[in-house]
Amino acid sequence: DQQVKQNSPSLSVQEGRISILNCDYTNSMFDYFLWYKKYPAEGPTFLISISSIKDKNEDGRFTVFLNKSAKHLSLHIVPSQPGDSAVYFCAAIDTGGGNKLTFGTGTQLKVEL
Amino acid sequence: EPEVTQTPSHQVTQMGQEVILRCVPISNHLYFYWYRQILGQKVEFLVSFYNNEISEKSEIFDDQFSVERPDGSNFTLKIRSTKLEDSAMYFCASGGHTYEQYFGPGTRLTVT
Repeated sequence: DQQVKQNSPSLSVQEGRISILNCDYTNSMFDYFLWYKKYPAEGPTFLISISSIKDKNEDGRFTVFLNKSAKHLSLHIVPSQPGDSAVYFCAAIDTGGGNKLTFGTGTQLKVEL
Repeated sequence: EPEVTQTPSHQVTQMGQEVILRCVPISNHLYFYWYRQILGQKVEFLVSFYNNEISEKSEIFDDQFSVERPDGSNFTLKIRSTKLEDSAMYFCASGGHTYEQYFGPGTRLTVT
């Protein structure tokens, strides 16, 4: 039951360029979305979130875009840095049904020098 | 910066044994969660806890699992009789009045 999908298992980007990570969801009840970054042997680290009443949220180098009609969101990292190399998870919440996070499968981002 | 802590970092146990995984959530948070990630799979929700009771649980969270907040700081996950398929990374998370959840570093549980 893949309610949240990240179709690209991996992405490689050059340092200084833009990284775009994509996420699709199928459950129309999801109304809050989050991105997490995860290094090996560590827990997920919260990066940025967006409510369904917005279509964009920006925090420093990170911007999340939400297209509700397409049930699609993306995370843009500009400029990409080697320290950004990690697995990025998209997660979604149906706030009317509790606070549980439904995660995607993750995208491994590698930022190369 | 406040953070969620978890102990132990790695637990090895034999099938059928009981294990208790411990977490110290961020001190002013009200919502507490357990998730797990089996190797190679996605992070899955197990249970949420608020106001000293379970607020939601997944199908995974059967009678072999229980959670407790025994004092003002700890949050524990107990597995009564471990199975091989319980081997996974277990993450504790906590949250305040917003929807963001903050995760601990995880406990790697290996059932042999």
